[in-house]
Amino acid sequence: DTAVSQTPKYLVTQMGNDKSIKCEQNLGHDTMYWYKQDSKKFLKIMFSYNNKELIINETVPNRFSPKSPDKAHLNLHINSLELGDSAVYFCASSPRLAPVAEAFFGQGTRLTVV
Amino acid sequence: GEDVEQSLFLSVREGDSSVINCTYTDSSSTYLYWYKQEPGAGLQLLTYIFSNMDMKQDQRLTVLLNKKDKHLSLRIADTQTGDSAIYFCAERAASKLTFGTGTRLQVTL
Repeated sequence: DTAVSQTPKYLVTQMGNDKSIKCEQNLGHDTMYWYKQDSKKFLKIMFSYNNKELIINETVPNRFSPKSPDKAHLNLHINSLELGDSAVYFCASSPRLAPVAEAFFGQGTRLTVV
Repeated sequence: GEDVEQSLFLSVREGDSSVINCTYTDSSSTYLYWYKQEPGAGLQLLTYIFSNMDMKQDQRLTVLLNKKDKHLSLRIADTQTGDSAIYFCAERAASKLTFGTGTRLQVTL
């Protein structure tokens, strides 16, 4: 069973469109994250949710809106896509109360905006 | 703010040891991690160290932490071609996990 799964794996879309990326974890974790990895492989946190509540929002344009319908899901909706949004987006989760709160990552969604 | 820096590239010969270095700035870090990213794949946790430890060994991997200098290193003994990947260090402070810039390890024959 996949621990952290994201869909779709690849997404190609035109500028100006609105798209969503879904993420689900079956680990029972309290905390979920979205990370963006750019073409130079820099990984930057975008959002962090704990028990469906937003706890970190890292200077991300408000075209990006995370939605957490329940503890196991954290979806990312992006409005009015721009060329600079092209990147690989990783979802992750971690157990909030674990002694070692390592994050488990999904396989990533490669978004290409044309 | 938090900054985590790594050298971008390291090339070693198969069988040699690799040492990947990382510096961080957040003194409130509780855990420090090493992740591996193979081409086209997600991030895989390799090992971690708690901030009050100096060293941790796990099979071929040795993590050294100098908390005073905020310096973390990962040593891979007997490096194999399958170790070729990008290695990210990461620090955890409260609910936030901040990644380094990544070091691309190339293993040559």
